[in-house]
Amino acid sequence: GQQVMQIPQYQHVQEGEDFTTYCNSSTTLSNIQWYKQRPGGHPVFLIQLVKSGEVKKQKRLTFQFGEAKKNSSLHITATQTTDVGTYFCNAGNNRKLIWGLGTSLAVNP
Amino acid sequence: GAGVSQTPSNKVTEKGKYVELRCDPISGHTALYWYRQSLGQGPEFLIYFQGTGAADDSGLPNDRFFAVRPEGSVSTLKIQRTERGDSAVYLCASSLGGSGSGANVLTFGAGSRLTVL
Repeated sequence: GQQVMQIPQYQHVQEGEDFTTYCNSSTTLSNIQWYKQRPGGHPVFLIQLVKSGEVKKQKRLTFQFGEAKKNSSLHITATQTTDVGTYFCNAGNNRKLIWGLGTSLAVNP
Repeated sequence: GAGVSQTPSNKVTEKGKYVELRCDPISGHTALYWYRQSLGQGPEFLIYFQGTGAADDSGLPNDRFFAVRPEGSVSTLKIQRTERGDSAVYLCASSLGGSGSGANVLTFGAGSRLTVL
């Protein structure tokens, strides 16, 4: 069945350092979504990527969809303590929306 | 409503009891999803409704779990003969549905934390 793998599972950075998480699928995706879940909270939608090679930016966050539409990345420039949380990708091939296990980011002030 | 509302926010029950969890989606969202999430894990798909019908219930772990959405709005997740392993946060999400670009962008509720003693 369809698999979505996220790496790394955990990342611990000093405030101000950059951070990148990767999402890889075994199959071609129609689109990919990224969500952020703060500790104790619920997932909150960040962005959806649809086109091959698409790059979108939200302030310090840069999202990229691979040319083959099988992988995606989220890059955070100059992390802040407010970036703490777990970042999930999900594959929007179908309504089941397969979720990765997420990358948990910790930021040392 | 303005957001997805889930009740109760916390439920503690004894093993073997029956539990109902309620989800009130965003007004106008035709698609509704139930997930459950254990600590350190991603959301685990349970069931998806499009309108009143369960379009995909393949994630329900066994026949103790059942969900309904009789009028295409509010949904109830029902768990019979609860077991300790059912303890988790049960998340509900809704989306516009249909085929547009934002059709399956999920808005989550705050979740219902179920603890089975």
